[in-house]
Amino acid sequence: DAKTTQPPSMDCAEGRAANLPCNHSTISGNEYVYWYRQIHSQGPQYIIHGLKNNETNEMASLIITEDRKSSTLILPHATLRDTAVYYCIVRVAYGAGNMLTFGGGTRLMVKP
Amino acid sequence: DAGVIQSPRHEVTEMGQEVTLRCKPISGHDYLFWYRQTMMRGLELLIYFNNNVPIDDSGMPEDRFSAKMPNASFSTLKIQPSEPRDSAVYFCASSVGREQFFGPGTRLTVL
Repeated sequence: DAKTTQPPSMDCAEGRAANLPCNHSTISGNEYVYWYRQIHSQGPQYIIHGLKNNETNEMASLIITEDRKSSTLILPHATLRDTAVYYCIVRVAYGAGNMLTFGGGTRLMVKP
Repeated sequence: DAGVIQSPRHEVTEMGQEVTLRCKPISGHDYLFWYRQTMMRGLELLIYFNNNVPIDDSGMPEDRFSAKMPNASFSTLKIQPSEPRDSAVYFCASSVGREQFFGPGTRLTVL
């Protein structure tokens, strides 16, 4: 699976959009971009994933650049409960048992 | 659905003792994963199963660790003998597709 690079930490004001970047310059054509987050003392939670097109669900939006070498997770209106470590993961969707390789992630702090 | 269930939630034991962690995956999920999380090493995959069969155990740190999945609704991770460096949070996750669902974890402390 391709390696990802994320900033170790970010701050965001409550109610504002949180934009979390991820670089995955060695991503292969069959690899998806996944985002998970881990709120303190809980297990990781799936947020969203995508291949080429931008994706949106009830939690977040995922913007993938045209060359697929980077992506941005957007939390449109961050709340205090969004304070967590956010992991960007790239992996082949099928095969390899859906394995996830977690990096260091970005620690997002949402402040009042 | 109750989600992935892990027990115990907290375990404190002494070095040399056997520790058994338990996991009940979400019904219908055919993949089960065991992860370990520490401050130093982050979140690491230890082993995973597909249809109760171990597929990749390359993440298991050493022979003191063993995992079993006797049926589709139950898995165990055993450490024997335990050592202080095994102190960590152990997560179980299950999946049937692209999304993995994680349990609440077991916080293990080995004194």
